Amino acid sequence: QSVLTQPPSASGTPGQRVTISCSGTSSNIGNNYVYWFQQLPGTAPELLIHRDTQRPSRIPDRFSGSKSGSSSSLAISDLRSEDEAYYYCASRDDRLSGWVFGGGTKLTVL
Amino acid sequence: QVQLVQSGAEVKKPGSSVKVSCRASRGTFSSFAINWVRQAPGQELEWMGGIIPIFETTRYAQKFQGRITITADESTTTVYMEVSSLRSDDTAVFYCTGGYCYGDSCPTYDFNDYDMDIWGQGTTVIVSS
Repeated sequence: QSVLTQPPSASGTPGQRVTISCSGTSSNIGNNYVYWFQQLPGTAPELLIHRDTQRPSRIPDRFSGSKSGSSSSLAISDLRSEDEAYYYCASRDDRLSGWVFGGGTKLTVL
Repeated sequence: QVQLVQSGAEVKKPGSSVKVSCRASRGTFSSFAINWVRQAPGQELEWMGGIIPIFETTRYAQKFQGRITITADESTTTVYMEVSSLRSDDTAVFYCTGGYCYGDSCPTYDFNDYDMDIWGQGTTVIVSS
């Protein structure tokens, strides 16, 4: 059982906007930054969002992150077929003194 | 920016050890921390431990304490992770992932001051008799 809770799956049609949630506690998300990663099949994870809402310059602005309390969300607008992948959230955990991850959400573009 | 290049796939017998490397190219280790993350087949990501190479400060997940050792060689900008007493359920892809220190006092001894932005390509380790 992962420390951070994500829905196992999400879906949308091309052009739609989808959101993926990530729920934690005051020990992790509530007191530390959240990071979001995209993992395409057979490849390493790639950073999408760091420090809750900041997007590296190479990541399109279709991807955005938000945080409220001990929960975070990743929003993907103008959904495209190439967005079909697994998405993971991560944060540091003060009690565990390390990084914790969500179980991953498989995004399907219908 | 730094790129992380990992060593190649390994096949090991149960009870043996494996040492995986992660070399930082196009950059230095100053103000940088490296973590190791495991992904078993079809499973989620799992943090194993990390190191701040400039200080040689390490931190390990309790689950792996005593079974993994993370070291760094600044002269070659390479971080190593050795996993001992391998079991079949250690079969996984091992990723190194790192990030720069942020804030006004970098580099610091505090792992909380470092991002997790850059990933290596992964090293597959298969444990099988």
